[in-house]
Amino acid sequence: ETGVTQTPRHLVMGMTNKKSLKCEQHLGHNAMYWYKQSAKKPLELMFVYNFKEQTENNSVPSRFSPECPNSSHLFLHLHTLQPEDSALYLCASSQGGLAGGQNEQFFGPGTRLTVL
Amino acid sequence: GIQVEQSPPDLILQEGANSTLRCNFSDSVNNLQWFHQNPWGQLINLFYIPSGTKQNGRLSATTVATERYSLLYISSSQTTDSGVYFCAVDPYNTDKLIFGTGTRLQVFP
Repeated sequence: ETGVTQTPRHLVMGMTNKKSLKCEQHLGHNAMYWYKQSAKKPLELMFVYNFKEQTENNSVPSRFSPECPNSSHLFLHLHTLQPEDSALYLCASSQGGLAGGQNEQFFGPGTRLTVL
Repeated sequence: GIQVEQSPPDLILQEGANSTLRCNFSDSVNNLQWFHQNPWGQLINLFYIPSGTKQNGRLSATTVATERYSLLYISSSQTTDSGVYFCAVDPYNTDKLIFGTGTRLQVFP
């Protein structure tokens, strides 16, 4: 257990569906992240939130919509996805911008998404 | 942007063997982490090591920041060590981890 939980663990959806991924951290951190891991590609950062404010959008298509209502929760809303969006989606958290450089990231178990 | 290269890409060992995994990065970094990804996809933190040497049981790591590389040592390997090992760096203290392509380790009994 890393202190970061994700639900659901597996998700199968059609291209016209709307679904949401949820991440919760129990570490008292202030920064949260979404990463994408596709087959045979390195993990790619998607979004960063610091103190509930989005500080990074790594050129992610608008069919992925993040939401961070508080420092403990992070959502990724999905709509009209494509089959190539099938991947493992990982959430992470860290102390964030006030950590003074000690900004170790901790990851959740991931949601394995399949888009049909 | 910064490049992170890991070697070897694949490693096959018999139980009990030792191994060294390498991570090279192309620019100065403020943060470097080593992870183990198990077969279920979970990333497990091994070391937070922007510089120096750390040890945790059978694992140890060394980062030489001035020469832009880090090494992960696994001694007396076990089948449970199998999985993919990732190095990730934060080059500008911006909370953005850049991952290497990983080393896939298989340990056989």
